[in-house]
Amino acid sequence: EVQLVESGRGLVQPGGSLRLSCAASGFTFSRFWMSWVRQAPGKGLEWVANINQDGSEKYYVDSVKGRFTISRDNAKNSLYLQMNSLRAEDTAVYFCARGSMGSGTLDSWGQGALVTVSS
Amino acid sequence: QSVLTQPPSVSAAPGQKVTISCSGSSSNIGNNFVSWYQQFPGTAPKVLIYDNDNRPSGIPDRFSGSKSGTSATLGITGLQTGDEADYYCGTWDRSLSAGVFGGGTKLTVL
Repeated sequence: EVQLVESGRGLVQPGGSLRLSCAASGFTFSRFWMSWVRQAPGKGLEWVANINQDGSEKYYVDSVKGRFTISRDNAKNSLYLQMNSLRAEDTAVYFCARGSMGSGTLDSWGQGALVTVSS
Repeated sequence: QSVLTQPPSVSAAPGQKVTISCSGSSSNIGNNFVSWYQQFPGTAPKVLIYDNDNRPSGIPDRFSGSKSGTSATLGITGLQTGDEADYYCGTWDRSLSAGVFGGGTKLTVL
């Protein structure tokens, strides 16, 4: 069974940093693109970033370029999202998902991790 | 403002059929596969349709997808109260080099 479990949720002040992790199990992690999607409170889904199998290709939504970094460790079956210079508008539940919207679909999702940016 | 346009809400009676539209452009829907996701409040989304019209295993055939030009449609027949949820279309946008979602459609089964 595919499982994706996010961790690293928390409250951070504007301008601060936070790193989310996503632990994957139940599939060969190194064979799949991986993605992050977020959802602000009461709002719709927003794609954030994705990364290819070996980490050589990464794409970001414009609003996080230069502030967020997606990465992965295939030896640890883990996906990461380093978030710097956080803003109030980054407050959202962040979902880790298997796959890429560029080459298929997001076929498995984690339960989500809440990130709150507030002073 | 989302790149893909969906109606904010749709409604129908139990047992009836409903369709949800998703309108885009040649840089996204017109040149890429579309997926549809179902999300219940407080839970993670789940894929219902991928590659325009394919259902993952376990998804009932009451759910169907289609695409024509720069628009896609999700169809749900035999509506059940358990289908009340938010539905999102999604695809890749070649111009943005980014994934894009519709704004979401809230389905109410009256």
